[in-house]
Amino acid sequence: KAGVTQTPRYLIKTRGQQVTLSCSPISGHRSVSWYQQTPGQGLQFLFEYFSETQRNKGNFPGRFSGRQFSNSRSEMNVSTLELGDSALYLCASTPSTGFTDTQYFGPGTRLTVL
Amino acid sequence: KQEVTQIPAALSVPEGENLVLNCSFTDSAIYNLQWFRQDPGKGLTSLLLIQSSQREQTSGRLNASLDKSSGRSTLYIAASQPGDSATYLCAVQGGKLIFGQGTELSVKP
Repeated sequence: KAGVTQTPRYLIKTRGQQVTLSCSPISGHRSVSWYQQTPGQGLQFLFEYFSETQRNKGNFPGRFSGRQFSNSRSEMNVSTLELGDSALYLCASTPSTGFTDTQYFGPGTRLTVL
Repeated sequence: KQEVTQIPAALSVPEGENLVLNCSFTDSAIYNLQWFRQDPGKGLTSLLLIQSSQREQTSGRLNASLDKSSGRSTLYIAASQPGDSATYLCAVQGGKLIFGQGTELSVKP
């Protein structure tokens, strides 16, 4: 079974631009979560989608948004990029509710904002 | 607010040693606790998941324990190898995963 895939793997953007990251979960998994990892703050939860509905959200500004499609693929969007948005963005998938299942992570998208 | 702390932040050991990584959390209302491994610049690999009703889980040379009442978990690595060098993260699930800052492990040949 193929693992979680994320595209693109690397991105360089400038301040003020917007960016869209994509995540394809493991086949059959319906829950997708997004995380931001930075050296200073560590790994922080962004949001979780299950069956196309956002079920939980972390403490990030409204510039960070996401969505999930009927095939469980998910995208996250960051508008009006700031230097502090430079990070490794990870997504994870689980088969169902996500509360008792193992979370399987993708390789991440490395975003650099100049 | 759930807070997860990992001690030590970094650890260097010679090959063959047994070692223990520590994780503590402030809120015992969790569904489970998960240990991950992260290699530099890479994603996370799940090592062990302990449900809230369980006390420990084992996989090969790894053993993880969970004491919800005291808010602690340990990851025991037996007979460490250079290939075990990585950052180890624990995370508690209470509706969303809350991560510790990780322990950076270096195993010297």
